[in-house]
Amino acid sequence: DTGVSQDPRHKITKRGQNVTFRCDPISEHNRLYWYRQTLGQGPEFLTYFQNEAQLEKSRLLSDRFSAERPKGSFSTLEIQRTEQGDSAMYLCASSLGRDGYGYTFGSGTRLTVV
Amino acid sequence: DAKTTQPTSMDCAEGRAANLPCNHSTISGNEYVYWYRQIHSQGPQYIIHGLKNNETNEMASLIITEDRKSSTLILPHATLRDTAVYYCIVRENTGNQFYFGTGTSLTVIP
Repeated sequence: DTGVSQDPRHKITKRGQNVTFRCDPISEHNRLYWYRQTLGQGPEFLTYFQNEAQLEKSRLLSDRFSAERPKGSFSTLEIQRTEQGDSAMYLCASSLGRDGYGYTFGSGTRLTVV
Repeated sequence: DAKTTQPTSMDCAEGRAANLPCNHSTISGNEYVYWYRQIHSQGPQYIIHGLKNNETNEMASLIITEDRKSSTLILPHATLRDTAVYYCIVRENTGNQFYFGTGTSLTVIP
């Protein structure tokens, strides 16, 4: 296992379209996190899963956003009716337990909404 | 919300020590200081963390003041590959999220 994988690396979509991103965490990690990062800013927390349960969601996660982790392994993040303000890097991270030093981040999916 | 204050940018000569400061004056007793870095086009990478004692690992050293209101990350011999944005974060060890803030953009100069 070589780390956290995210697919695709880049996505360009037209405003109003739906997009879905995938994250494959490190296999033994039970926790999975989604963050969003806009240009010049640090990553901002969106949501996290412990196994298949989504336990926390940020206020940033509007009702156009939905995340799933159906079998406690990979996760998907879907954005419906994309807006230009959704353009950002979407980062996934995983960890085993709560220790803050154990997070491994993927390289992210860069979304551009035109 | 971010509970730390860091300089926006710093330069360091290659081979010299890079000392990155961080202020966290409102840190509480059960909050740790974490440092992550983000190299361009990559996700953040864990560097080091500590509670109140100084810490050292293969990447860096973390010096925390006695009152815990500030800390310094030390990269002992900076290389060009250390050019990145460095984030200082305070968080309980059992928290579920990190508040990254905007970090310090470190440029290592040849």
